[in-house]
Order: sequence, then structure tokens, then C-alpha cells
Amino acid sequence: DAKTTQPNSMESNEEEPVHLPCNHSTISGTDYIHWYRQLPSQGPEYVIHGLTSNVNNRMASLAIAEDRKSSTLILHRATLRDAAVYYCILNSGGSNYKLTFGKGTLLTVNP
Amino acid sequence: KAGVTQTPRYLIKTRGQQVTLSCSPISGHRSVSWYQQTPGQGLQFLFEYFSETQRNKGNFPGRFSGRQFSNSRSEMNVSTLELGDSALYLCASSHPRDRWDGYTFGSGTRLTVV
Repeated sequence: DAKTTQPNSMESNEEEPVHLPCNHSTISGTDYIHWYRQLPSQGPEYVIHGLTSNVNNRMASLAIAEDRKSSTLILHRATLRDAAVYYCILNSGGSNYKLTFGKGTLLTVNP
Repeated sequence: KAGVTQTPRYLIKTRGQQVTLSCSPISGHRSVSWYQQTPGQGLQFLFEYFSETQRNKGNFPGRFSGRQFSNSRSEMNVSTLELGDSALYLCASSHPRDRWDGYTFGSGTRLTVV
């Protein structure tokens, strides 16, 4: 699986937007970009995924660079509940039925 | 809808014993995956099952095995437990690819080997 690079940690204030970056310079044409987050004492939670176009859902937005070598997860208004480890994962689908997690970004949200 | 259910939530076993963990996927989900999470290695893929067939396997020793039943429920078994097997074991389920909307994880089973 292609590798992703994320900052180890980021900090935000409550009710402010948060932009979580992810670099994936070796992404292949069939790799989807997935984001999951893990709150303390819970299993990971699916956030969003995309291939080429920007994506929005009720939780977040995913902005994908034109060359697809990087992407940004956008939380429009951070809440204390958004404090978690955020994982950016590439998955090619097809016969690859697994997620390869890196270390992720620990997001701290200050009240 | 009901989420992914993993039982038991906590387990303490002795070295050399074996253990079986259970996972009930979301109704309608036919794919079930297992992951191990430790502070040192993070989240690592164990195996994935679909329609009772293992489709992918991670880099774990043969002591780790799993199976899936016709109702999509899955179990994983670890034999001859070692101290290093202490971890949070997570199960995830998903729809088939044509209806894929992400993996849904359970809260995990915390296994402690003493």
C-alpha cells in the first residue's frame, strides 16, 4: 500500500475550522483516499473518502489536490468531541480488502 | 441501526492458553475484518472474511486464525497466548464494494495476557 505522511499532532480551538493535511506522493491512479478517526477508548470511525473530486458529508469535507499527491480533511467547526486521532489511508479497492493505518494525527481541541 | 458488536469487551488470559473473540457485523454487512491495536505497533490488519471465505490475511503467525459463519458473524482465535498478544482487538464490517460506504468498527475486545 502507498504510504501517507501526516503531522503527529495538531491543536485547534473550539468552533474554529480545522485543516488536517495528508501527503501521499506515491499514490496510484486507483487509490482512494480514506479518513478515519479514533476517539479515546473507541474503535476507528469512518469519516470520509474520495478519489479525485472534493467530497462533502455531514461530518467533514475532503479537499484533494489536483495532482492527488496530497489531501486535506476539513472540519468546519471543531467541537470537543472532535478530539481524536485522525488517520489518512490509501486503499486501492479491488482485491485489497484491508486498511493500512499509519500513526495518524492527534487533534487536540481547546475549549 | 445496531452497530458492530464485539464480545467480550475485556478478557484476561494466562500465557499458553487460547482465546476466542466474537464479532457480529451490522445487519446486511457481509465483509468482516479484524485488526490488532497495540501502543507500539498501532493498528494492524489481521484478516478479512466475506461469505465465509478469507480473502486477505495480514502478517501474523499461524496462532492467529479466524472464521466466518453463514450469518456473517465472525470469530477469531489466538492459540498459545504470549504476553505480546495483549492488545485491543477490533472488528470492522462493511457492505460489498458496490454499496461500500466505509468500514464500521466495533469498540473492541481488550485482551490482557498475564
